[in-house]
Amino acid sequence: QVRLVESGGGVVQPGGSLRLSCEASGFAFSTYGMDWVRQAPGKGLEWVAFIGYHGDNKYYADSVKGRFTISRDNSKNTLWLQMNSLRADDTAVYYCANDGGRLWFKQLDSWGQGTLVTVSS
Amino acid sequence: QSVLTQPPSVSAAPGQRVTISCSGSNSNIGNNYVSWYQQFPGTAPKLLIYENDQRPSGIPDRFSGSKSGTSATLGITGLQTGDEADYYCGTWDSRLTTGVFGGGTKLTVL
Repeated sequence: QVRLVESGGGVVQPGGSLRLSCEASGFAFSTYGMDWVRQAPGKGLEWVAFIGYHGDNKYYADSVKGRFTISRDNSKNTLWLQMNSLRADDTAVYYCANDGGRLWFKQLDSWGQGTLVTVSS
Repeated sequence: QSVLTQPPSVSAAPGQRVTISCSGSNSNIGNNYVSWYQQFPGTAPKLLIYENDQRPSGIPDRFSGSKSGTSATLGITGLQTGDEADYYCGTWDSRLTTGVFGGGTKLTVL
């Protein structure tokens, strides 16, 4: 079955950096687009970023553009989210998900359990 | 403020039917597929409906989706207390070139 396991969350100071990882198994990772979605405490879902199945198409929410970078290694079945210049409003649970769309967001078929990022001094 | 507009809450009695609306524009719902997600407190969301009206395997036919113009609707029949959750619509916005979600709707089964 599909398994997505996020890691790398934690507490970081404002202005700091963090790299999230998502290890995928149980499906043909290299044929799926992948997304990061976040959820601030007590708030709704916020789409963060998408990467196409081959890694060339990348899209970002305006709130993270220029600060976050999504990447993938299909040989390792792994997705990453490099987060720089972190701010307090980036505090959230970050989920990775596989996407039914190969070139842009279409639907999020399966989700990981999430990893909590807390930005605080 | 979300690009897609959902009612913050809906409620109905067990066994009844409820609908949750999701309103957008031509650049998102009007020209792209809509998906719906169910989320219980403290857990990851789960895909309920994709391509406007398709159910993934394992999703009961009590859940249905539809789209008309720039709006989409999630319907749930035969409500059960176990359906109490938050529900989100999502789609691609071709003008913004971003994914977008509704603000979420909390379903209460009275």
